[in-house]
Amino acid sequence: SAVISQKPSRDICQRGTSLTIQCQVDSQVTMMFWYRQQPGQSLTLIATANQGSEATYESGFVIDKFPISRPNLTFSTLTVSNMSPEDSSIYLCSTEGGGHGYTFGSGTRLTVV
Amino acid sequence: TQLLEQSPQFLSIQEGENLTVYCNSSSVFSSLQWYRQEPGEGPVLLVTVVTGGEVKKLKRLTFQFGDARKDSSLHITAAQPGDTGLYLCAGAGSARQLTFGSGTQLTVLP
Repeated sequence: SAVISQKPSRDICQRGTSLTIQCQVDSQVTMMFWYRQQPGQSLTLIATANQGSEATYESGFVIDKFPISRPNLTFSTLTVSNMSPEDSSIYLCSTEGGGHGYTFGSGTRLTVV
Repeated sequence: TQLLEQSPQFLSIQEGENLTVYCNSSSVFSSLQWYRQEPGEGPVLLVTVVTGGEVKKLKRLTFQFGDARKDSSLHITAAQPGDTGLYLCAGAGSARQLTFGSGTQLTVLP
C-alpha cells in the first residue's frame, strides 16, 4: 500500500493567516482525500482531489476557505485560509490503496490563536 | 447522506476482558472497513469486509458484516493495553469516498 508523508505535523498560527499542508505519496494515485478531525473524534471529509481537475468539496466546505492543489499524481496541498480559532483541528490526507484500504498521512495538528 | 453510528463512544476496561464495538447505519455500503488510530497518527486499516454475513478474524479481533451490509461489529477477546486507541468504522460508497463512524475510544488498563 502507498505511504504518505504529511507536513507539517503541527503548527500554531495567528488568526487571519493561512497555512498550507502538504502530502507526498510514494506512488502515483488517482484520488486523494482531505479530512478534518477533532482529537478523539470521527473524520469529516473536506474534499476529493483528482489530478488535472478541480477538487470536489463536501457540504460546508468551500474552495475559497480550503483551496486544494493537485499538480501531479503523487502530491497534493490543502490551504486553510484566513484562519480563525474554529479552524483548530487535525487535518489528514488520504488515498485509496486498492485492496489494502485507504492510507492516511500522520496528520497536521493546527492550533489557531 | 450516509451516516454511521458507533457505540459505545468510550470504553474503559481491564486487561483480559472482552469487548464489542458496534457500527450501524440505515444505508447499504459496498464494503465496510475498520481502522485503529493512535494519538499523533493517521488511522490504520485493520480489516475490510465486503460480503453480507462475512466474518473475519485477525488474531484476537473478530469482525462481522451484517447480512444486509448496513452494520458491523468488532469483538476483541482478552484485551491488552496495546489495543488502546480510537476505533473507527468506515463505509465505502459508490463515489469511492469513505464515510466514517463516530468513533470508539478504547482504553485497556493494565
